[in-house]
Amino acid sequence: DAGVIQSPRHEVTEMGQEVTLRCKPISGHNSLFWYRQTMMRGLELLIYFNNNVPIDDSGMPEDRFSAKMPNASFSTLKIQPSEPRDSAVYFCASSLEVLTSYEQYFGPGTRLTVT
Amino acid sequence: AQTVTQSQPEMSVQEAETVTLSCTYDTSESDYYLFWYKQPPSRQMILVIRQEAYKQQNATENRFSVNFQKAAKSFSLKISDSQLGDAAMYFCAYRASDSNYQLIWGAGTKLIIKP
Repeated sequence: DAGVIQSPRHEVTEMGQEVTLRCKPISGHNSLFWYRQTMMRGLELLIYFNNNVPIDDSGMPEDRFSAKMPNASFSTLKIQPSEPRDSAVYFCASSLEVLTSYEQYFGPGTRLTVT
Repeated sequence: AQTVTQSQPEMSVQEAETVTLSCTYDTSESDYYLFWYKQPPSRQMILVIRQEAYKQQNATENRFSVNFQKAAKSFSLKISDSQLGDAAMYFCAYRASDSNYQLIWGAGTKLIIKP
């Protein structure tokens, strides 16, 4: 059974460029999460989707960040324009609501470096 | 507000020995879920074990077990017969049962396995 798939695994870009991170959740899961991990701030929840609908985007740092989930098997996180302070590891996670503990399963992450 | 505290930034253990990682949390809820996640150098977050607060029995997954003390709000992870592959960051996380998404994370404990 394939886990959560993220691409790319590594992204290096210059300040001002647009960055798009991609995520394919586990088949059948109906909740999807985007996280950002940095040494300074740890793991931060950016946005949460349920049944493809954004439920909580209060963690999105600013308007430069946007996320979409056009269908149950694909989501994107876009940063435009990117800045050096956006450098971090970005995780996508999914979960299945019917499980009583709603554990989240994480993808391998995308390490983003903005120079 | 709920908080999760991991007081040990780093722990080390001899291979094949047993080590316990501590986690305390603060909540006014009576029903909630607790998790331990492992993040090896590959950086993927892997669910190790979960505990439902309404269950008195401590969760166990092979060499991993927890000591859940609800009154003390303590949730420690015991790793028996430590292996080199156990070297990783370990994160404790809390989720209130009335929310199916918001995980509160500890700062993590880096576990070093000495061969």
